Amino acid sequence: DAKTTQPNSMESNEEEPVHLPCNHSTISGTDYIHWYRQLPSQGPEYVIHGLTSNVNNRMASLAIAEDRKSSTLILHRATLRDAAVYYCILRRFQGAQKLVFGQGTRLTINP
Amino acid sequence: DAGVIQSPRHEVTEMGQEVTLRCKPISGHDYLFWYRQTMMRGLELLIYFNNNVPIDDSGMPEDRFSAKMPNASFSTLKIQPSEPRDSAVYFCASRVGAAGGVRGTQYFGPGTRLTVL
Repeated sequence: DAKTTQPNSMESNEEEPVHLPCNHSTISGTDYIHWYRQLPSQGPEYVIHGLTSNVNNRMASLAIAEDRKSSTLILHRATLRDAAVYYCILRRFQGAQKLVFGQGTRLTINP
Repeated sequence: DAGVIQSPRHEVTEMGQEVTLRCKPISGHDYLFWYRQTMMRGLELLIYFNNNVPIDDSGMPEDRFSAKMPNASFSTLKIQPSEPRDSAVYFCASRVGAAGGVRGTQYFGPGTRLTVL
């Protein structure tokens, strides 16, 4: 499985945008980029995914570099409830059904 | 939908005892996954099932661990005998198969926090 690299931790202020980076230089053409987050004392939850184009949903936006070797999860206006560990995961379109979780980025939101 | 249901939410047991964790996946989902999360090793996949059949158990740490899925709405993860190093949070997740969910979204349960004394 291709590997992702994320900062261990980030900090931001409430109601400000947050940009969470992820490097995946060995990504293959059939790898989707998935983001999950884990709120304190809960199981992980899906945030967003993409392949080549930027994506938006009600939770966040995903910006994918043109060469696909990096991506950025964007929370447009962070709230205290967005404090969580964010995982960037590559998942092959076909084949293995597994999600391989790295250490993720622990996001702290200051009031 | 109630989501993925796990029981018990907390389990405290003594070393050597048998522990059984239970999971009810979301109705209609045909993949079921068992994960373990510890501070040292993070979130690890133990085993997953497709249509009640175990597909990949390469993450099961040793023979003390076993998992079954007798039907589409129920799965168990059993540890016998339990050891202190098995203390962790165990998550169950489910998803729709490829035909219905290309994006591969997994839905996680709330987890079972296991403490082995």
